[in-house]
Amino acid sequence: ETGVTQTPRHLVMGMTNKKSLKCEQHLGHNAMYWYKQSAKKPLELMFVYSLEERVENNSVPSRFSPECPNSSHLFLHLHTLQPEDSALYLCASSQARARSNEAFFGQGTRLTVV
Amino acid sequence: SQKIEQNSEALNIQEGKTATLTCNYTNYSPAYLQWYRQDPGRGPVFLLLIRENEKEKRKERLKVTFDTTLKQSLFHITASQPADSATYLCALGGSYIPTFGRGTSLIVHP
Repeated sequence: ETGVTQTPRHLVMGMTNKKSLKCEQHLGHNAMYWYKQSAKKPLELMFVYSLEERVENNSVPSRFSPECPNSSHLFLHLHTLQPEDSALYLCASSQARARSNEAFFGQGTRLTVV
Repeated sequence: SQKIEQNSEALNIQEGKTATLTCNYTNYSPAYLQWYRQDPGRGPVFLLLIRENEKEKRKERLKVTFDTTLKQSLFHITASQPADSATYLCALGGSYIPTFGRGTSLIVHP
């Protein structure tokens, strides 16, 4: 295990549903990330929270809403999603400004929008 | 715009041979470059980092080179094994937030 836990592992939701993805890290890191991974595409950074800033990818639709209540927990709230939002959603954490900038990823949530 | 290119075609090699994967980039001057391994249905796992002022980095059977003039990194796995079969991602960064390539699939045949 990487020290980053995501739940649920799999999620099927209708386009009118509201759901949330959860991520928890036990590594004492000060930065947490949401990435979207679609087939044959690069990992797409969605949001970053660190002690110093929140970074948003401006191309992410407003139907995705992040929440970071503390440095160990990160949520991604989903509402009125579209079928093209089906993908693997990955959470990661790192120690910002550390020498290696190594990112630790969770196992991901496989989301299917029907 | 910044672009990271990794070969989209899978690399098939025979067990025991050296696998070489390529990461090219344009419109970018990264401070560091990372390589990750990703198995199906799982998150990427960090393997190695190399900085802009380093030419080569080694870890066990892994070797990474970084040529900032060519804007290219090569990732080598020597004495490859079927267990090395996975997708390998390169990631570039100037700050603490890396940008990932799409990855190259490596298949090692016994």
